[in-house]
Amino acid sequence: AQSVTQLDSHVSVSEGTPVLLRCNYSSSYSPSLFWYVQHPNKGLQLLLKYTSAATLVKGINGFEAEFKKSETSFHLTKPSAHMSDAAEYFCVVSRGGGSQGNLIFGKGTKLSVKP
Amino acid sequence: DAGVIQSPRHEVTEMGQEVTLRCKPISGHNSLFWYRQTMMRGLELLIYFNNNVPIDDSGMPEDRFSAKMPNASFSTLKIQPSEPRDSAVYFCASSPGLAGETQYFGPGTRLLVL
Repeated sequence: AQSVTQLDSHVSVSEGTPVLLRCNYSSSYSPSLFWYVQHPNKGLQLLLKYTSAATLVKGINGFEAEFKKSETSFHLTKPSAHMSDAAEYFCVVSRGGGSQGNLIFGKGTKLSVKP
Repeated sequence: DAGVIQSPRHEVTEMGQEVTLRCKPISGHNSLFWYRQTMMRGLELLIYFNNNVPIDDSGMPEDRFSAKMPNASFSTLKIQPSEPRDSAVYFCASSPGLAGETQYFGPGTRLLVL
C-alpha cells in the first residue's frame, strides 16, 4: 500500500535562509510524487511533480525536490526563503496501479517565514 | 483556459438544511475528485469520478452525502440533512486521467453549518 509521511508539522525559518520540508513515502511500485502548496484561504497549487524521469525535480517559485529511492524520501528545498513562501505544503503520492491513481496526501507542513 | 470552478465560495446554513456544492472541471479532463479539509482530519478524499462514472465513494462519510456527475462539465456534492460537524472546506479537483496524473484544484467552498 502507498503512504506518505511528512516529518514536521511546522517549520519556521528566517527570510533569506534555506527551506527544508521533509517527506518519506512508502510504495510497492515506482510512484508518482508531488508537492502541493496551499496559501491561507486558498486552494491547493501544484509546486512540482516526479514521475521517474530526473531524480531532481524543479518546481515553481524556486522550489525543488529530490527523489531518493534508497531513502524513500522526497524532500522539498529552497535555497532562500521569501515571506511569500509562508503557507502549508503537502507531500503527495499517487495511489496508482489498479486503484486508478487517486492521490494520497500527507498531513501537511506549515511553513512560517520570519522577517 | 479557466481553472476548476466551484460555487458557492462560502455557504452558511442551519443544521438540517440541504446543501449543494457545485463544480465545473477543466475542459477535457476525464477525472473529477471531491475532497474535504478540516483542521482535525486534514484533507480527505470523498469520492472520485472517471468519465462521469463514480469509481470510489468509500470516503463519503455517510448516507447524508451524495455526489453526481451528470455530464463531463458539471458535478454536485449534496449534504442532506446538514450537521454542524460537516463544517469544512470542500475542494473539487480535476485531472486529465487517473494514474499519476496531476490534479488541479478549485478554490474551495467554505461551509459553515450552524
